[in-house]
Amino acid sequence: EVQLVESGGGLVQPGGSLRLSCAASGFTFSSSAMSWVRQAPGKGLEWVSSISGGGGGTFYANSVKGRFSISRDNSNNTLFLHMNSLRAEDTAVYFCANSITVFVPSRFDSWGQGTLVTVSS
Amino acid sequence: EIVLTQSPSTLSLSPGESATLSCRASETVSRSQLAWYKQKPGQAPRLLIYDASNRATGIPDRFSGSGTGSGTDFILTISRLEPEDFAVFYCQQYDSSPWTFGQGTRVEIK
Repeated sequence: EVQLVESGGGLVQPGGSLRLSCAASGFTFSSSAMSWVRQAPGKGLEWVSSISGGGGGTFYANSVKGRFSISRDNSNNTLFLHMNSLRAEDTAVYFCANSITVFVPSRFDSWGQGTLVTVSS
Repeated sequence: EIVLTQSPSTLSLSPGESATLSCRASETVSRSQLAWYKQKPGQAPRLLIYDASNRATGIPDRFSGSGTGSGTDFILTISRLEPEDFAVFYCQQYDSSPWTFGQGTRVEIK
């Protein structure tokens, strides 16, 4: 059974930084492109960032480009999202999700339960 | 960027009825690279349909997806609505970056 467990969310001041983690199990992690998708309170889903199975390819939404960095540790089956220069509009539940494809994400097959990031002074 | 527009925003139906949800793309989604997800309050989204018409593992055949030949119009049909079907449904395209979602359709109990 695929399991994705996010952690690292919390309250941070505008301009601050945070690192999210997603622990994966139940599938071949290194063969799966991984993604972060966020959902602001009461709003819809927004794709944030993705990374290829080997980690060599990364993709970012324009809204986070230059501020967020995605990475992965295939030896420990963990996905990360490093978030810098956080803004109030980054407040959201952040979900990690896997895809069956290796190099470029496709559909999001399985999702974690999410971790809440609140950016506020 | 491919913009996905879902309609209607809200659908009010009774259990046992059928629901028809629409997702229109601003440009062609090639190879029907479109998925549908269901999300209940406080839960993560769940994949229902991929490649426009294929049901994901464990999804009952009450859920069906289709697309027109134009590659811009997609439909999710839910037959015989059950209590657990009342939720928000999102379409998503994975044809090109940025990967985008529709704004969602809420199916509520009438």
